[in-house]
Amino acid sequence: AQKVTQAQTEISVVEKEDVTLDCVYETRDTTYYLFWYKQPPSGELVFLIRRNSFDEQNEISGRYSWNFQKSTSSFNFTITASQVVDSAVYFCALSEAFGDSGAGSYQLTFGKGTKLSVIP
Amino acid sequence: GAVVSQHPSRVICKSGTSVKIECRSLDFQATTMFWYRQFPKKSLMLMATSNEGSKATYEQGVEKDKFLINHASLTLSTLTVTSAHPEDSSFYICSARDPLAVTYEQYFGPGTRLTVT
Repeated sequence: AQKVTQAQTEISVVEKEDVTLDCVYETRDTTYYLFWYKQPPSGELVFLIRRNSFDEQNEISGRYSWNFQKSTSSFNFTITASQVVDSAVYFCALSEAFGDSGAGSYQLTFGKGTKLSVIP
Repeated sequence: GAVVSQHPSRVICKSGTSVKIECRSLDFQATTMFWYRQFPKKSLMLMATSNEGSKATYEQGVEKDKFLINHASLTLSTLTVTSAHPEDSSFYICSARDPLAVTYEQYFGPGTRLTVT
């Protein structure tokens, strides 16, 4: 069965510092997708990125960057020059092509989340 | 982009009553919708997978008779919490999958905060 581990429960950084959120996953499938979501206090999930298992190219989007390494089953997320607006809970999630529910189940398994607090 | 709405955004009900939460895909037809539950400071836990025109598939430990799911159309799924009790108070989030999308992405609704008094 798939599993996503976010070992960091809470992180506090001072504004403008860089911060990396860790995500380690487990899956038996060779085809899968990895996601990062942001959940501000309002509760709505904000999609940040999607990565498929065949694309290990790292990605940068503004102050956000993602490091996908299949060798270590990790998909880490870095925020550079953090801002107060980055304060939120961040979830890493995994979706398998087949999974325990059979082909095309597309179920998402979430990590427990990392609460990031950016202090001004 | 794909938009999913939920109604109501917030509801307070008395213990013993039932409450219905609607999840709608606004600009695409969703053959599959998912319902999640999130306790304070916790992660999202999948409750059930809802497929249009068929019975929902519930995750282990989720009471089918308590959490009734109906996916009667390609754009609407409903979750009814029957005979609600204070322990059912939680944040309920739905998501929908666009079958025409080539990725496995789910589009999330804004969530419904249920408080049972």
